Amino acid sequence: AQSVTQPDIHITVSEGASLELRCNYSYGATPYLFWYVQSPGQGLQLLLKYFSGDTLVQGIKGFEAEFKRSQSSFNLRKPSVHWSDAAEYFCAVGSFNNNDMRFGAGTRLTVKP
Amino acid sequence: EPEVTQTPSHQVTQMGQEVILRCVPISNHLYFYWYRQILGQKVEFLVSFYNNEISEKSEIFDDQFSVERPDGSNFTLKIRSTKLEDSAMYFCASSGGARGVGETQYFGPGTRLLVL
Repeated sequence: AQSVTQPDIHITVSEGASLELRCNYSYGATPYLFWYVQSPGQGLQLLLKYFSGDTLVQGIKGFEAEFKRSQSSFNLRKPSVHWSDAAEYFCAVGSFNNNDMRFGAGTRLTVKP
Repeated sequence: EPEVTQTPSHQVTQMGQEVILRCVPISNHLYFYWYRQILGQKVEFLVSFYNNEISEKSEIFDDQFSVERPDGSNFTLKIRSTKLEDSAMYFCASSGGARGVGETQYFGPGTRLLVL
């Protein structure tokens, strides 16, 4: 069964600094991978997704993620963090049918002025 | 841009009462989902629905839960007899495309359910 691990529960970065959020997945076949962001009191917004092709995917709000099959990872990056990026970030893996998407526990991002 | 909507945004109920959470998926989507997120925990899959029937459900989705698409636009989650542990944020999602395409799921803003 697929599963997702986000090793960092909470990360604090300074505004303008670079960011990398880690995500490791376990899945027997080619995974469909997603990053979602959840601002306080809000729903889940899709940042980016990987299905196939180029392993470096670009998303909204300046985020990107790189799929590394050898490491079973799909880390999210942003070169320069803005205060508005403070939120909870969820990595998720889906099956081919995408009927049962599994989420990681989330990483809460705090941005210092 | 089309979006998934959910009503109500908040619901408070007494233990043992029935609640119905409503969702309007994106209009041309074919797959519908419910997830829940207990406060401070991860988002958990409950059920997926396609072609007017449940296509997959998790172990959380027991007999007290049911889903329905009563008309062409709404998708509902009913909890027959709520328990304290049902308190959570419930997210509806929908995706387009045919089965096997692996389309992206788009989430609604959630309904926060509090069972007293």
